[in-house]
Parts: sequence; structure tokens; C-alpha cells
Amino acid sequence: DSGVTQTPKHLITATGQRVTLRCSPRSGDLSVYWYQQSLDQGLQFLIQYYNGEERAKGNILERFSAQQFPDLHSELNLSSLELGDSALYFCASSVSSGESGANVLTFGAGSRLTVL
Amino acid sequence: DAKTTQPNSMESNEEEPVHLPCNHSTISGTDYIHWYRQLPSQGPEYVIHGLTSNVNNRMASLAIAEDRKSSTLILHRATLRDAAVYYCILRGPYNQGGKLIFGQGTELSVKP
Repeated sequence: DSGVTQTPKHLITATGQRVTLRCSPRSGDLSVYWYQQSLDQGLQFLIQYYNGEERAKGNILERFSAQQFPDLHSELNLSSLELGDSALYFCASSVSSGESGANVLTFGAGSRLTVL
Repeated sequence: DAKTTQPNSMESNEEEPVHLPCNHSTISGTDYIHWYRQLPSQGPEYVIHGLTSNVNNRMASLAIAEDRKSSTLILHRATLRDAAVYYCILRGPYNQGGKLIFGQGTELSVKP
């Protein structure tokens, strides 16, 4: 157990639907990161939040949004789902905002999304 | 972030040492070298990181070349559980958040 908790572990839904993935960071960590891993794209960085504020943005689609709440948990919202959104979604956390090159990320076990 | 080059795959025998290479010829003086691994059906897991000197921890050792253009992750005694994709990532002190950019990594298989 890494200390990063992701729910749900598995989710099956239909095209056009909306889902929310939840992440609780490791105790004491202020940054949360979201990654998408599909078979053909590898691990892709989506977005980072630090202490409630967006810190960095990657290849996140406009149909996707995220936020970090005052208790530091984060949610990734995926809407108007398409078949290609089927993937593993990983959350990671770290203590700092990441300016140091020594910043280490702790990953959760992931949420597997299947869009039918 | 500077680019790294790793072999796509490597094989090892159980209980033998494994040396996983990584080339990073464009590394800058402030870039840390990080290694993560991803076991099948699991999230990536931190292994080790270093800046200039060789580093050891309970999981592995990191040997960094003197010119820092390459590094080697050393698993001293491979077990079946070490079969995973190993990612070598450079991370500098940029003011762009703490994200890590993953490449394709090296898929390590361990034979009993």
C-alpha cells in the first residue's frame, strides 16, 4: 500500500457518459498529479495541483477537468466519454510543489476505465 | 526535460545481478536522475534517484558516470518480482511543477 488511495478501482460506462475518479494523497503530501496510461500512448501526464491550485498542465483534453479540495483530495472528471478514453488513470502525490529536481512521486494503484 | 534513451527490453536470470543502462547525453548540471518501475497491473513505483554520486538504497543501486551522460540501475539479485518496466527520467529544478515525463522504459523479464 503506497498510501495514495484511488477509487473506484474499476469502472465500466458507455460513450457520452461522465465519470469522476477520486484520489486521496499520502498523508502530508500537498501535490496531486493525474496520469493517463493507455496501451498505445504510455504514461501521459494530465495535470498537477498543489495545495488546491493548478500547478502544471499536460495533455489534458477539454472534456476532462480536475480539482483539489481543501482536504487535499482530488477528483478527475471525464465527460462526453469516447471509446478512446478507455485507459488506466493514475494519481500520484508528493510533498512539495516540485521545483526541486529531487521531487519524488508516490503513485496509487490506478482506476481502470472501460468505455463501451 | 532532457531526453533519455533506454533499451526496449532486457532479460535476466533469477538471483543474478541486473544492470539496466540509461543514456542521457543532454543532461544539464542541475538535472536529477530518477528511476521508477511499474510492475504488471500496478502503478509506477519510485526506485532511486541521484544527482552526481552513486546511490544505494534497499531496492537498488544507481551508478552515475563521471560525465553524467549515462547511468546504470543495478538490481543486485533479481527476483521474479522484479519483472517490470523500468523508467529512467531526468528531472530538473524547473518552475513548472513536479511532473515526471515517462518514456517507453525498459521491460525487464526475469527467468527462473
